Amino acid sequence: NAGVTQTPKFRILKIGQSMTLQCTQDMNHNYMYWYRQDPGMGLKLIYYSVGAGITDKGEVPNGYNVSRSTTEDFPLRLELAAPSQTSVYFCASSAPEGRAGVGYGYTFGSGTRLTVV
Amino acid sequence: EDQVTQSPEALRLQEGESSSLNCSYTVSGLRGLFWYRQDPGKGPEFLFTLYSAGEEKEKERLKATLTKKESFLHITAPKPEDSATYLCAVQAGNNFNKFYFGSGTKLNVKP
Repeated sequence: NAGVTQTPKFRILKIGQSMTLQCTQDMNHNYMYWYRQDPGMGLKLIYYSVGAGITDKGEVPNGYNVSRSTTEDFPLRLELAAPSQTSVYFCASSAPEGRAGVGYGYTFGSGTRLTVV
Repeated sequence: EDQVTQSPEALRLQEGESSSLNCSYTVSGLRGLFWYRQDPGKGPEFLFTLYSAGEEKEKERLKATLTKKESFLHITAPKPEDSATYLCAVQAGNNFNKFYFGSGTKLNVKP
C-alpha cells in the first residue's frame, strides 16, 4: 500500500547512544516532516524538508539532525540520546501547497516509539 | 502567542449519542484548519481541511465547521468504531513552523 513507512517501530537506547530513524514515502510528495508526540502534548515539529537537498528546523530541533538526498527518504538522526528524547516519533509527507497557499493534509507513518534509559 | 486548545480532553458517549468536539485557536493569519483521527499505536489520519469561517465539511458521521475563533467536529449517532483521538491543527502563514497541533480529544463510544 502506498504511504509513509517508518522503521523501526520500537527501540530502546541507552543514554549517549546514537541512532537513525528511517522514513520513506512512495507518493512522490515534495514535503516531508518529522514530529514528536509526548503524552498530553500536541505534535511538535522537529525538522521539515520541502524537497531533496533542502531541510529546515522546526520548533524542537535540538539533539536531532536530518538529511534529504532523495524525494523518497527523510531519515532522522539522534546523536547522544538523552532521556528527554523518549517519545513517539512520526514522519509525515504532503503534496505541495494547494488552495490559497495552504498545505494539503499530511500522510503520517505509523510511528517509532523510542525509550532512552 | 499562537495557540491551539482542544476540549474536552476526553469524552465518553453511548452509541447513537451525538456530541461535538471543540478546537479553539489564537493565531494570527489563519490559513487553514485541519482535523485528524488517531487510533492507538498509529499515526494520525487526515480527515478535513477548512479554509475560512463559515465553511463546513462532512464525512460519514462527522461534520466539521469553522468560525473565526474555533472549529467544531460534530459526531452524529456515533458508533464504537468512531472511538479514537481527534486532533486539530492550524496553519498560520506560509511557514511550516507556523503549523500547530492541539493535544487532542480522546473519544470513547460505548455500545
